[in-house]
Amino acid sequence: SSELTQEPAVAVALGQTVRITCHGDSLRTDYVSWYQKKTGQAPLLVMYAGTFRPSGIPERFSGSDSGSTALLTITGAQAEDEADYYCNTRDSSGDHVVFGGGTRVTVL
Amino acid sequence: QVRLQQWGTGLLKPSETLSLTCRVYDGSFSGYLWSWVRQSPGQGLEWIGQIDQSGFTSYSPSLASRVTISIDRSRIQFFLKMNSATAADTATYFCARAREYGGSRHTHYFDPWGHGTLVTVSS
Repeated sequence: SSELTQEPAVAVALGQTVRITCHGDSLRTDYVSWYQKKTGQAPLLVMYAGTFRPSGIPERFSGSDSGSTALLTITGAQAEDEADYYCNTRDSSGDHVVFGGGTRVTVL
Repeated sequence: QVRLQQWGTGLLKPSETLSLTCRVYDGSFSGYLWSWVRQSPGQGLEWIGQIDQSGFTSYSPSLASRVTISIDRSRIQFFLKMNSATAADTATYFCARAREYGGSRHTHYFDPWGHGTLVTVSS
């Protein structure tokens, strides 16, 4: 079982806001990073150090965290945002890296 | 802009050794961790392990007994070997560059990624 927990799936209407959560004790000591994964493609970094958006990632993606919970928000979801999203940080030992189980985002 | 190109054996039989290579273009090894991640069909992302420029490695506890990650600094390549492959190792394998740094809170993230290599283990 993963040390990072995500909800398996969420759905959002086109143009609306969707929030994806990641829970884990290691988030108290480590910043989370988030990845978008589409079938047949490599994962794409969409957020790092909790709130920093890499160059080229649309502004509708934002991140936040509090305690043992991190949040990825897509404000005004577009059809191309339909994908699996994974959170990532170190495990509780600090020696290894873990991913959350992933959240499938469906844009209706 | 650094990019990663990967290649390796796509089909192997049970008990054989999986072998993949990742070449780094337009970048150096210094200051980063060079990593392997896989995704089995229908499953999530799984971290396999990483290596730094000095050759220091860290592996997933569940795979450590079968995995070796190494580097060739002269060719700016790093490698994954996984012995005693089984059908459960069938997956798409990605190489990735990781950045890690401390501070008030620790930061670790993967960027960029290789395109992925599908490895099938079947008799």
